[in-house]
Amino acid sequence: DVKVTQSSRYLVKRTGEKVFLECVQDMDHENMFWYRQDPGLGLRLIYFSYDVKMKEKGDIPEGYSVSREKKERFSLILESASTNQTSMYLCASSPDISGANVLTFGAGSRLTVL
Amino acid sequence: GENVEQHPSTLSVQEGDSAVIKCTYSDSASNYFPWYKQELGKRPQLIIDIRSNVGEKKDQRIAVTLNKTAKHFSLHITETQPEDSAVYFCAFIPRYSSASKIIFGSGTRLSIRP
Repeated sequence: DVKVTQSSRYLVKRTGEKVFLECVQDMDHENMFWYRQDPGLGLRLIYFSYDVKMKEKGDIPEGYSVSREKKERFSLILESASTNQTSMYLCASSPDISGANVLTFGAGSRLTVL
Repeated sequence: GENVEQHPSTLSVQEGDSAVIKCTYSDSASNYFPWYKQELGKRPQLIIDIRSNVGEKKDQRIAVTLNKTAKHFSLHITETQPEDSAVYFCAFIPRYSSASKIIFGSGTRLSIRP
């Protein structure tokens, strides 16, 4: 019954490494999102996409990029990981239907950058 | 900028008592206000939402009220039970941005004392 799948639950990377976080949804949703969750800061939007190959910056895009080549897949890329990017990353999707903005979240990817 | 302030950050109530969480948003033209619940180790899930054409919405022990003039909305949980212990996030969609963009508050950690 899993609808939004994040490929990695736990990752440990070194400073300067390139990191890929993958997210796949099977609900045919138009919209996909990447949030970062830190204690006391809530869920902060990094990037979102409303269509294939389309993307918009969220509130904290610096140090991140995204890719959406297929409707079901939305990838978050850290070109050169830094220790301040240690966090829980949550992917979500929603349908593009007026009045139906409900987000379905993935289980999260906990990234540690050493 | 677009933001929502959420208070309190932590809340502890006796089982059976009521809990109230408040959020104040910045965009007076916003018209959709959801609440998400995140239990320990799990993904956030929508528990209730309200749109700007209603002032209050109820679902069993949970209710949400909206005051558009004051730009705030609140979550009310009555007859609290142990399973209500979780982190609660309010959210809104800024009117003058992509209809897909959902901004979250910083979260309230609710603890129910037996």
